[in-house]
Amino acid sequence: EPEVTQTPSHQVTQMGQEVILRCVPISNHLYFYWYRQILGQKVEFLVSFYNNEISEKSEIFDDQFSVERPDGSNFTLKIRSTKLEDSAMYFCASSPDSYEQYFGPGTRLTVT
Amino acid sequence: QKEVEQNSGPLSVPEGAIASLNCTYSDRGSQSFFWYRQYSGKSPELIMSIYSNGDKEDGRFTAQLNKASQYVSLLIRDSQPSDSATYLCAVIWTGNNRKLIWGLGTSLAVNP
Repeated sequence: EPEVTQTPSHQVTQMGQEVILRCVPISNHLYFYWYRQILGQKVEFLVSFYNNEISEKSEIFDDQFSVERPDGSNFTLKIRSTKLEDSAMYFCASSPDSYEQYFGPGTRLTVT
Repeated sequence: QKEVEQNSGPLSVPEGAIASLNCTYSDRGSQSFFWYRQYSGKSPELIMSIYSNGDKEDGRFTAQLNKASQYVSLLIRDSQPSDSATYLCAVIWTGNNRKLIWGLGTSLAVNP
């Protein structure tokens, strides 16, 4: 069964550094998403992406964040200058129809 | 502010019993409803989707939707210890580019 994959599984970085989180969505899916979950809190929407452009972004997704689909398979989330409060699990999801969304295993980002 | 509310639990049931999980949402403009299961430290896993009023059954799981009362529930029949997890309710609102809005989740413990 096809799955969403994410790398790395855990990233430790220093405050102010740039990080790139990578995702390979399910191959025939057209809609892509990033969510995050701070420990003990709700899952939060960050951004949705369709047809090579951002469909919607949340208030969290400020100028420090960007997304790219650099080739036909990868989908990346870049945080330019990490803050302590960016520490969270980051989940990539993909969907064939923008309704049922399938999640990758996540990247645990720790900012020190 | 669109909200999704769940009782955080923990809900404790004996093995073989029916577990009943509930979710309420704040806005009648909601469109699609999803139940995800999340094991500790893992990503959300889609287990049910429901789009219209009534019941939808899939194996041991039944989702129930009542749009007039603004609630959606999940029943797990013949609960197993492996069902012990946090169950997340997520909602897509009409016209919001299909982003999932999440509840905090209900922790379920199935006791052998």
